[in-house]
Amino acid sequence: QSALTQPPSASGSPGQSVTISCTGTSSDVGTYNYVSWYQQHPGKAPKVMIFEVNKRPSGVPHRFSGSKSGNTASLTVSGLQAEDEADYYCCSFAGSNNLVIFGGGTRLTVL
Amino acid sequence: QVQLVESGGGVVQPGRSLRLSCAASGFMFSSYAMYWVRQAPGKGLEWVAVIWYDGSNEYYADSVKARFTISRDNSRNTLYLQMNSLRAEDTAVYYCARLTVDNWLEPWGQGTLVTVSS
Repeated sequence: QSALTQPPSASGSPGQSVTISCTGTSSDVGTYNYVSWYQQHPGKAPKVMIFEVNKRPSGVPHRFSGSKSGNTASLTVSGLQAEDEADYYCCSFAGSNNLVIFGGGTRLTVL
Repeated sequence: QVQLVESGGGVVQPGRSLRLSCAASGFMFSSYAMYWVRQAPGKGLEWVAVIWYDGSNEYYADSVKARFTISRDNSRNTLYLQMNSLRAEDTAVYYCARLTVDNWLEPWGQGTLVTVSS
């Protein structure tokens, strides 16, 4: 049950685009299209930004997008804004029993 | 309003027990699988346990297996986490969360802090 691999940090200037990767295995990311991404601001509960690899819940800005290739999922934030500065976690199903696994998290800094 | 509210956290000595509760409101609690997820201070999210909508199945992370027990009372719209033989490394904010029909976790509670220390 090792965590999915994310870069510990990412950064970009306002208006730029940033992509955060999330690498798993053929037992989780590579098999299931149930990859979600969560944004967490300090002291707050996580909030979903992307589900099922590339779908956005209502209310999430269109500048957040997701994709997947093989065992690696990615979150792209386009047109960075100051309020996007937060920790981001990927999450994947890891079995047919609703088991899930999280990534180690990426701190996104808006320069 | 769909809401989850955790309670029961606190400071506990190593080896002792604690029970967390998660009160659900605003949705049909008995229709959803429920999760406990924890976050150690300054660390990432870690899945702890899941229980199916009817309580028929439960699964645990290796780090808590045989020490923690997840349960639910659908008549009271409440999720529980019984934590035994607590260790310093169990210190974390514990969140409960619902698995939606689209397979993401939402909502999350506000979290309850468990500190294991002598």
